Amino acid sequence: DTAVSQTPKYLVTQMGNDKSIKCEQNLGHDTMYWYKQDSKKFLKIMFSYNNKELIINETVPNRFSPKSPDKAHLNLHINSLELGDSAVYFCASSQAAQGSYGYTFGSGTRLTVV
Amino acid sequence: SQQGEEDPQALSIQEGENATMNCSYKTSINNLQWYRQNSGRGLVHLILIRSNEREKHSGRLRVTLDTSKKSSSLLITASRAADTASYFCATAARSNDYKLSFGAGTTVTVRA
Repeated sequence: DTAVSQTPKYLVTQMGNDKSIKCEQNLGHDTMYWYKQDSKKFLKIMFSYNNKELIINETVPNRFSPKSPDKAHLNLHINSLELGDSAVYFCASSQAAQGSYGYTFGSGTRLTVV
Repeated sequence: SQQGEEDPQALSIQEGENATMNCSYKTSINNLQWYRQNSGRGLVHLILIRSNEREKHSGRLRVTLDTSKKSSSLLITASRAADTASYFCATAARSNDYKLSFGAGTTVTVRA
């Protein structure tokens, strides 16, 4: 039983395409996140949802749009993909939004834009 | 913005030796967390230490926190080949809306 599961694990697509990454957690956590990890392993937060409500929206191009249909799911849709979007995208969840709990991460989605 | 910075960037040790890595951060924090990332995998939460704590243990892991120096260390004792991974510190600060902010990590290689 994977606690935080992301699909797909790998995504190779052409520039200009639109793609989605899905994330689900079965931990009963209230808060979910999207992080981007670049080629130098630097992790940067993109979005956070608490009980389906957007609470963190970092400086991310508006081509990226998160959607949380319920507190167990957080999907990421990316329009008009660019070469610079190539990275590993991680979904994570935590019990609450106050940063007082550890995060549980998914195994990542490696996005390659060609 | 990046809050934590790990040192060294890379570390290579023999199995059975201890590995120590450090993390420095810039602003006052609520807590500091350490994560492990095996190659091609997601991050795994290791330890959370709160700002009013100085030391925490979990199995072969020991974490210290010095808020006066804004630094933390992670010690892995009696290392094993399975400890080969990247280790990240992350900080949560009220000033940053408790967003967990990660450093660039220390890559640890344990040689058999």
